[in-house]
Amino acid sequence: EDKVVQSPLSLVVHEGDTVTLNCSYEVTNFRSLLWYKQEKKAPTFLFMLTSSGIEKKSGRLSSILDKKELFSILNITATQTGDSAVYLCAVEITDSWGKLQFGAGTQVVVTP
Amino acid sequence: ETGVTQTPRHLVMGMTNKKSLKCEQHLGHNAMYWYKQSAKKPLELMFVYNFKEQTENNSVPSRFSPECPNSSHLFLHLHTLQPEDSALYLCASSQDRSRETQYFGPGTRLLVL
Repeated sequence: EDKVVQSPLSLVVHEGDTVTLNCSYEVTNFRSLLWYKQEKKAPTFLFMLTSSGIEKKSGRLSSILDKKELFSILNITATQTGDSAVYLCAVEITDSWGKLQFGAGTQVVVTP
Repeated sequence: ETGVTQTPRHLVMGMTNKKSLKCEQHLGHNAMYWYKQSAKKPLELMFVYNFKEQTENNSVPSRFSPECPNSSHLFLHLHTLQPEDSALYLCASSQDRSRETQYFGPGTRLLVL
């Protein structure tokens, strides 16, 4: 059975802190790993990772994939209150067109 | 403002009711998806449509019936639901094989009494 596990489930940090979110997976026919940010309702796309060891960066957010150890991390530096959200990790499976297997998410709360 | 809209945004229904959720995308995408997000559970894919054809049915009970009349519209018809079906139902759309552009709608919060 395909599995995506995120940790921690939730965390509270102060503005300016750095957070590291983890996503590990066990799937057959891995194609890519995606990170989403979910505030209120609709998830918004952050990153798509297909190759090991190549860091993707967008402002204060960065992410990297390790296909040997089957995990990815999402880093947020100099956190702001606007970073408070649920961060979702999803793995795309090649044998099901369009199928994304999601993790349960990590709830991040950034306090002033 | 998202290019994917969903109506209604909130819905309360009894177990014997029949209702429909509507999703519309204004992005010119070819694929549309229904997801279910229950409290404290991972987001679950329900159905995938590509060029109006259903390509994935992720073992969803028959009390959920999707309809995709064209690439821009997607419906989810609901009948004889159970309280455990209460959840946030999210619609998404994307171009072919381009995962970066899987855009989500705001969702419909459904409560089954």
